[in-house]
Amino acid sequence: DQQVKQNSPSLSVQEGRISILNCDYTNSMFDYFLWYKKYPAEGPTFLISISSIKDKNEDGRFTVFLNKSAKHLSLHIVPSQPGDSAVYFCAASAQDSGGSNYKLTFGKGTLLTVNP
Amino acid sequence: DGGITQSPKYLFRKEGQNVTLSCEQNLNHDAMYWYRQDPGQGLRLIYYSQIVNDFQKGDIAEGYSVSREKKESFPLTVTSAQKNPTAFYLCASSITYNTEAFFGQGTRLTVV
Repeated sequence: DQQVKQNSPSLSVQEGRISILNCDYTNSMFDYFLWYKKYPAEGPTFLISISSIKDKNEDGRFTVFLNKSAKHLSLHIVPSQPGDSAVYFCAASAQDSGGSNYKLTFGKGTLLTVNP
Repeated sequence: DGGITQSPKYLFRKEGQNVTLSCEQNLNHDAMYWYRQDPGQGLRLIYYSQIVNDFQKGDIAEGYSVSREKKESFPLTVTSAQKNPTAFYLCASSITYNTEAFFGQGTRLTVV
């Protein structure tokens, strides 16, 4: 079963507008969430994270919102730029079933295309 | 400069052969991870390790093995038991839990 879900495989926006990427999760034990950006044939690069004790974290053009009651987080990019075009992955961290190690679980990703 | 290095970038293997993918980090990170990426599947966790000489199976560990004899190294062996090994493999490390993980550039494994 997929614990981290990104239900939109792709998103297309115009340059200068806002991009909103969504992520839902099922495991209530997740306590740390991250967003990564990935280009083809490269490793993902870290963008922004948020702890479960917060509901918002901002870094320049990137803002992550966390709604724990809805088990939902979103990444806002404003203004969007053509260089933002990439696959965006949502990830979440929680202790594994053994209780002494932490797993980092990823969603399937959303392909963002920002059109000039 | 510090980072996480995967080698080789491209690897070809004949069916039935074992192959080992290298992952080295000089970031002094405790935690290391191996993921596999297939088209439309996102990143799936193969194995992870929080400390030296200890590692855990991820979601798709069958057909893979790892070792963590040194803090900076976490090699992944793709065995002949892995039914569909052709994929893009990514290694990552993090200082500890609940911190961002840094990724290597990946190894593209193709079984011929």
